[in-house]
Amino acid sequence: QQQVKQSPQSLIVQKGGISIINCAYENTAFDYFPWYQQFPGKGPALLIAIRPDVSEKKEGRFTISFNKSAKQFSLHIMDSQPGDSATYFCAASSRNFGNEKLTFGTGTRLTIIP
Amino acid sequence: DVKVTQSSRYLVKRTGEKVFLECVQDMDHENMFWYRQDPGLGLRLIYFSYDVKMKEKGDIPEGYSVSREKKERFSLILESASTNQTSMYLCASSFGGVRTEAFFGQGTRLTVV
Repeated sequence: QQQVKQSPQSLIVQKGGISIINCAYENTAFDYFPWYQQFPGKGPALLIAIRPDVSEKKEGRFTISFNKSAKQFSLHIMDSQPGDSATYFCAASSRNFGNEKLTFGTGTRLTIIP
Repeated sequence: DVKVTQSSRYLVKRTGEKVFLECVQDMDHENMFWYRQDPGLGLRLIYFSYDVKMKEKGDIPEGYSVSREKKERFSLILESASTNQTSMYLCASSFGGVRTEAFFGQGTRLTVV
């Protein structure tokens, strides 16, 4: 049972375009939604995160949009660059005795072509 | 810089062997995690630990166990390796509390033959 559903599985975008990756969740106990970026041969690294009391968060070219009623959130990469080519994972976090437990989506392999 | 170090990048083991994957973090983090990463399935949590000698089952603990004797070290144990445990294994750590960033090691590619 996939608690966080991510789409698409792969995405090809032209340089300068907008990359959009979508995630949906079921568990209303989730209260923190980070995105991780993974380059080949490396472990994932935190990219950007949002809490459900905010509908949008922007950091540079990266924006998270959050729709609490629909239980959906998405990552937008503006002016996509070849260096953005990586695998992106959405995640959702719930608390377990005050500590975090991250549940990840299935990942999106993003390729930015010149 | 936070560093999470996994002892091996690549491992090849035979079916039935007992396998140890080691992870060490240098930032005095409370929490440590083991995930496996498979194409199309994302990262799935195997086990995690919030403190020394404490462990909690994740989503797919069957066939695995863990050990945390020291705060900085978290070991994943495959009691009797099977071919369906061929995967990329990722260790992560984070500070205690809520909404804290997880720092990942670079992974161990395990092949069971």
